[in-house]
Amino acid sequence: EAQVTQNPRYLITVTGKKLTVTCSQNMNHEYMSWYRQDPGLGLRQIYYSMNVEVTDKGDVPEGYKVSRKEKRNFPLILESPSPNQTSLYFCASSHRDRDGYTFGSGTRLTVV
Amino acid sequence: AQSVTQLGSHVSVSEGALVLLRCNYSSSVPPYLFWYVQYPNQGLQLLLKYTSAATLVKGINGFEAEFKKSETSFHLTKPSAHMSDAAEYFCAVSDQDTNAGKSTFGDGTTLTVKP
Repeated sequence: EAQVTQNPRYLITVTGKKLTVTCSQNMNHEYMSWYRQDPGLGLRQIYYSMNVEVTDKGDVPEGYKVSRKEKRNFPLILESPSPNQTSLYFCASSHRDRDGYTFGSGTRLTVV
Repeated sequence: AQSVTQLGSHVSVSEGALVLLRCNYSSSVPPYLFWYVQYPNQGLQLLLKYTSAATLVKGINGFEAEFKKSETSFHLTKPSAHMSDAAEYFCAVSDQDTNAGKSTFGDGTTLTVKP
């Protein structure tokens, strides 16, 4: 089944403790992207990648890192999480930017 | 720069009535435009997309949208609402060619369908 898989689905962590949210797609898509969703703010793009080793900042990149060493994987790294990073995070992938994204099921992160 | 405005954070319709969800965009170059739907506790699902071919685009679940360049709009419609259409809907824009991969979403519209 074609899908974008994120792990974990739920995560509670403490301020300052480094964490990684994994994202993997099995569709051989070139584009991958991370978003955060907050009530009333829609989805905001954090980082995106056009291909292996090619990444760029979205609208809210502060406090996040990404890497794209393999085509299928696009992990999101929070080096020192803070409570304002408590949010619902989505990974998505696309073959071309005109195709629209296929989304994962989301990761609900709580930073206390 | 690109931006999206969805007019109305909440829309309520009766079952069988017309659904109209509004989206206006701003883009410095010809855009790609998308509508997504999000059901509770799920990820987003692509409903339809405009990529500069036909201006009237048909999507899944009976939805369609019309691209109007003069009005910079891409409103989503469905002739007859069904209870299963209750969800949150997002309009999104990305610029053709420039900053490929960068996309901007609206704040979302929650659709309620009354029996």
